[in-house]
Amino acid sequence: QKEVEQNSGPLSVPEGAIASLNCTYSDRGSQSFFWYRQYSGKSPELIMSIYSNGDKEDGRFTAQLNKASQYVSLLIRDSQPSDSATYLCAVNPGGGNKLTFGTGTQLKVEL
Amino acid sequence: DGGITQSPKYLFRKEGQNVTLSCEQNLNHDAMYWYRQDPGQGLRLIYYSQIVNDFQKGDIAEGYSVSREKKESFPLTVTSAQKTPTAFYLCACFSTGTVNEKLFFGSGTQLSVL
Repeated sequence: QKEVEQNSGPLSVPEGAIASLNCTYSDRGSQSFFWYRQYSGKSPELIMSIYSNGDKEDGRFTAQLNKASQYVSLLIRDSQPSDSATYLCAVNPGGGNKLTFGTGTQLKVEL
Repeated sequence: DGGITQSPKYLFRKEGQNVTLSCEQNLNHDAMYWYRQDPGQGLRLIYYSQIVNDFQKGDIAEGYSVSREKKESFPLTVTSAQKTPTAFYLCACFSTGTVNEKLFFGSGTQLSVL
């Protein structure tokens, strides 16, 4: 069983719509969770981090965490073509600062 | 500017050849990491170091070696035993804190086998 799972996509949404990206993880002791955005040929950049159950909002981005269901999601409101990228979910399992990454979901925002 | 510098950006190696990827950081972080990303895949951990003169194997350490003689530097050597033809190598360091923990990445090295 993969430790961090994501749907590889591609997920296509029209411009201005809400994009919903999902991630599940296997280690119940995980304490911190991250969403990275990666453009083709570039290194990942951090968009959101979340540590507690519930929602965390930052501009057009909202991260949602449900530890009981071992589920993390990222919502992107008012999606723009510049949001087209691969989104990587990462989990810090039980501390130790060794992040485990999912394989990423490719998002395409269409005009 | 504070950050992580990886070099070279592109590297070609012949089969049987060892090559070394450079990673330097001026963020004063203790923990440094090397990840490999295969085409269309996520990141997998090769080696990590939590402190100078100490490092640990990650999930795919076979065919690689590292050193950590200075806090600022964590070079990765890809040996002739490593058969992966093409991959993107990412160096990272970890910033700790109760609300600001974050993995910073360098710009990456694209390694191809001729």
